[in-house]
Amino acid sequence: DTGVSQDPRHKITKRGQNVTFRCDPISEHNRLYWYRQTLGQGPEFLTYFQNEAQLEKSRLLSDRFSAERPKGSFSTLEIQRTEQGDSAMYLCASSVYGTGNSYEQYFGPGTRLTVT
Amino acid sequence: DQQVKQNSPSLSVQEGRISILNCDYTNSMFDYFLWYKKYPAEGPTFLISISSIKDKNEDGRFTVFLNKSAKHLSLHIVPSQPGDSAVYFCAAGGGATNKLIFGTGTLLAVQP
Repeated sequence: DTGVSQDPRHKITKRGQNVTFRCDPISEHNRLYWYRQTLGQGPEFLTYFQNEAQLEKSRLLSDRFSAERPKGSFSTLEIQRTEQGDSAMYLCASSVYGTGNSYEQYFGPGTRLTVT
Repeated sequence: DQQVKQNSPSLSVQEGRISILNCDYTNSMFDYFLWYKKYPAEGPTFLISISSIKDKNEDGRFTVFLNKSAKHLSLHIVPSQPGDSAVYFCAAGGGATNKLIFGTGTLLAVQP
């Protein structure tokens, strides 16, 4: 079990550019979550998937953000027309729905986005 | 509206002593609570959880206590070790949603 992986680990982009991040969950996990963390704050929920279905989106997820999980395995998070306020750590987590401890979410290392 | 609060931004403890990290919540719909540990430039690592039907859960050096009437939980680490130095986040979830709501974290420094 290799845990949750995220790619890239770091991304520097210019304002107005589009960026895409990838998350590979723990292989048997059917739920996948995206969070965003800024300095001095805890992670904030963005969206989550159960298999390929996107079941909930936060108000934080503006129209410039889109997430997919096309085959119920890996997921991508795209930010279009990046703004400096998008600079943050983007975290992915996964969990197993249907077991007694389905609320335990396991996080990847994160992707640090810097918008210049 | 901060539904999960960690009012102590930092805590310093001597090696071998007990570390007690506190967390308060406001939403009575939460039915499970978790503690995560985070090192700089890494993702949060799951430590221990507790459901609302329990008031205590132990795992090795880590014990979480839940006081539902006070809407308060705490994490006890004993004995504390220098490797425990990190930021600790409490998180809560439950009801109709599966998202976790995190506190702002407490930086624990364990002095050798």
